[in-house]
Amino acid sequence: GNSVTQMEGPVTLSEEAFLTINCTYTATGYPSLFWYVQYPGEGLQLLLKATKADDKGSNKGFEATYRKETTSFHLEKGSVQVSDSAVYFCALSDYMYSGGGADGLTFGKGTHLIIQP
Amino acid sequence: GAGVSQSPSNKVTEKGKDVELRCDPISGHTALYWYRQSLGQGLEFLIYFQGNSAPDKSGLPSDRFSAERTGGSVSTLTIQRTQQEDSAVYLCASSSGQANQPQHFGDGTRLSIL
Repeated sequence: GNSVTQMEGPVTLSEEAFLTINCTYTATGYPSLFWYVQYPGEGLQLLLKATKADDKGSNKGFEATYRKETTSFHLEKGSVQVSDSAVYFCALSDYMYSGGGADGLTFGKGTHLIIQP
Repeated sequence: GAGVSQSPSNKVTEKGKDVELRCDPISGHTALYWYRQSLGQGLEFLIYFQGNSAPDKSGLPSDRFSAERTGGSVSTLTIQRTQQEDSAVYLCASSSGQANQPQHFGDGTRLSIL
């Protein structure tokens, strides 16, 4: 079956530090990969996505590259801000494996990121 | 607003009661999903609808859980004879149903079973 593994944290960094949150996956078919973010007291928001190998998703200074050879989709940001404090979820959707139908997301357990001023 | 709307936002009920959770997806989205978010289990996929059909119900935790969708729009998740382990945040998401399109989430219903 499909699975997503990510560092759970909490990860505590100082403002302007470099961020990496690791994410690796196993999938049967040809997954699309996503990072979602959940700010305190809010719902899940899509942060970025990549739909095929070597694609790079980017948004709000965050980037992640779909690495098929290492089955990874690590999230990076060059200089974090206090406002980036949130829980980050790596997820995959194995659309093709589901026979072309809509497919539920498989999530990692989430990484709690704390940015200190 | 144009986002996914869930109601109620919070629900507290006694063990053994039935509860009904509602999700109103983004207009035009044909695919609708239910997830459960709890401390011990993280985010679990429960069920999805393509139109009014749910092809796979195997993600539902037990036969006390059921879901329906009518008119290709609003969906309800019903939990019968609630148990304390049902306490969680229940999230709904919708998407266009096309390949590689992201799911957009509502703010969830926080369910607490006393």
